[in-house]
Amino acid sequence: LAKTTQPISMDSYEGQEVNITCSHNNIATNDYITWYQQFPSQGPRFIIQGYKTKVTNEVASLFIPADRKSSTLSLPRVSLSDTAVYYCLVGGNFNKFYFGSGTKLNVKP
Amino acid sequence: DSGVTQTPKHLITATGQRVTLRCSPRSGDLSVYWYQQSLDQGLQFLIQYYNGEERAKGNILERFSAQQFPDLHSELNLSSLELGDSALYFCASSRRPGQGADEQYFGPGTRLTVT
Repeated sequence: LAKTTQPISMDSYEGQEVNITCSHNNIATNDYITWYQQFPSQGPRFIIQGYKTKVTNEVASLFIPADRKSSTLSLPRVSLSDTAVYYCLVGGNFNKFYFGSGTKLNVKP
Repeated sequence: DSGVTQTPKHLITATGQRVTLRCSPRSGDLSVYWYQQSLDQGLQFLIQYYNGEERAKGNILERFSAQQFPDLHSELNLSSLELGDSALYFCASSRRPGQGADEQYFGPGTRLTVT
């Protein structure tokens, strides 16, 4: 059972870097880790995905340690429009999927 | 716009009734996933289909069933509805699950209210 846990909420200021960590102690060998962003009344939107080490795209970085029991989403220089709920999702390869409980990020001016 | 469509957007029905939620995946996507989002349970994975076949099952109640049709659209059937089934139901699609993990694109959801 790949139970995932995240902090309930985080506050930040515009222009700062934000790091959100997800714990997934029972991750399966062939599970991937994916992060999503969700605004109210919308479906989750893909941010980034990884299996191990570090992945970077145009909007975020994902850090996964060697034991893969946690992952950290890094958002560089957040803006007000990044205020949303961020979820980690563990699963893949026809395994079950497990969402974290979500981290509500509040970006202040 | 993710390219995934879901109908209806809103559904209000009474306890004991049966409803069908419909999902059309993005063009070219072979896999469809269903999720339930409620305030107390968060986002819960229900079931995954790939090219018409069930491939992974999560916390889907026996009162719920789903299928994926030859044209790849999917339907989620909820029966003997209870007040606790009130939630947002999301469909997602992806291209090639099973070869690593695929990026899932989520639809706008169907909001079900059971009264």
